[in-house]
Amino acid sequence: RKEVEQDPGPFNVPEGATVAFNCTYSNSASQSFFWYRQDCRKEPKLLMSVYSSGNEDGRFTAQLNRASQYISLLIRDSKLSDSATYLCVVNDLYNQGGKLIFGQGTELSVKP
Amino acid sequence: NAGVTQTPKFRVLKTGQSMTLLCAQDMNHEYMYWYRQDPGMGLRLIHYSVGEGTTAKGEVPDGYNVSRLKKQNFLLGLESAAPSQTSVYFCASSYSGQGINNSPLHFGNGTRLTVT
Repeated sequence: RKEVEQDPGPFNVPEGATVAFNCTYSNSASQSFFWYRQDCRKEPKLLMSVYSSGNEDGRFTAQLNRASQYISLLIRDSKLSDSATYLCVVNDLYNQGGKLIFGQGTELSVKP
Repeated sequence: NAGVTQTPKFRVLKTGQSMTLLCAQDMNHEYMYWYRQDPGMGLRLIHYSVGEGTTAKGEVPDGYNVSRLKKQNFLLGLESAAPSQTSVYFCASSYSGQGINNSPLHFGNGTRLTVT
């Protein structure tokens, strides 16, 4: 089982749609969680951290479910500019000594 | 504020050639990392450093060496390039990187390396 798993997509949605991505992680001791965004052939950029109580940043909402070991990202009112690959990132306390492990990414394509 | 700068941006090598990728950060971060990104594999950690003068192996260290002689610089070397090392290489830095709470990574623009 991969340490961090994501549905690779692609998710093709119309402008204005709401779309949700899930990510599962294998290490129950993980404590830090992030969503990164990566545009085609560019470097990953931090979208938002994920906090235990869930958090929101504008149209983006992140949730953490420790019992089921998954995190989610909800994008409301999708824009064309949201088209990108979204990377789920989790720290691995035991096997990687606290380093961050990246999922393969979920590709989102927002169409007019 | 430049952030994290990688050089070169592109490079083509022949099998057996050597090269060094340079990463520089101006944020006074202690932690620096080298990742490679391949289709369907996601980002994989090659080597990392928790401070000046220290380096450690990541998930896929074979065929690579690193050095961190100065806090702001982290060099990745390929002594004898192989086609399997064709990839996009990203350098990253962070304020903290070990233990329970990780601070986010700041990435460079990437180096696209092709080994023929």
